[in-house]
Amino acid sequence: SQQGEEDPQALSIQEGENATMNCSYKTSINNLQWYRQNSGRGLVHLILIRSNEREKHSGRLRVTLDTSKKSSSLLITASRAADTASYFCATVGPHGRALTFGSGTRLQVQP
Amino acid sequence: EAGVTQSPTHLIKTRGQQVTLRCSPISGHTSVYWYQQALGLGLQFLLWYDEGEERNRGNFPPRFSGRQFPNYSSELNVNALELEDSALYLCASSLEGVGWDQPQHFGDGTRLSIL
Repeated sequence: SQQGEEDPQALSIQEGENATMNCSYKTSINNLQWYRQNSGRGLVHLILIRSNEREKHSGRLRVTLDTSKKSSSLLITASRAADTASYFCATVGPHGRALTFGSGTRLQVQP
Repeated sequence: EAGVTQSPTHLIKTRGQQVTLRCSPISGHTSVYWYQQALGLGLQFLLWYDEGEERNRGNFPPRFSGRQFPNYSSELNVNALELEDSALYLCASSLEGVGWDQPQHFGDGTRLSIL
């Protein structure tokens, strides 16, 4: 079963615009991770934010975490066509260290 | 450094058959995870192996099984294949140590189609 929902399910923007994806989860967490999946390929780890952190940056990525609302957001700034992919949030548990994934957001960046 | 490798990349089977998928983790990684990504069902955890032992399994029937070898590579076996087993099967590896902050590194998966 999925840990939670991601919203929106799909997002289409123009190159240069910012993209924001949201994730909600159900249980308490140690950390929350974001992954990217290009069509038909494996997942690539983007960023990890610990439960005691509120915001984290990595290049054009900014992640926020609100543990009181059990939600996180991923912001991609100045998007590029190469950012076109599906994005998933993931938390650890309830199966030990295995990841439980959200439903994903499909991002399309138009050149 | 070589990433996680999976074989085969594609596979076509018929109902009732059995299949074995293989995964080689990143060198030095002792944990291997298997996930199923089926259309409409999202990414679902299947099995977790560490140091040769099964540590946990997801909500899948016993016909999904696997093992981890002394070199940390892993196999996923699926018996009595059903149409709904059609999916992308992803393997991931990670370092295990103190804390829960190790990201998982994924292979490109095996695309299994059941006819």
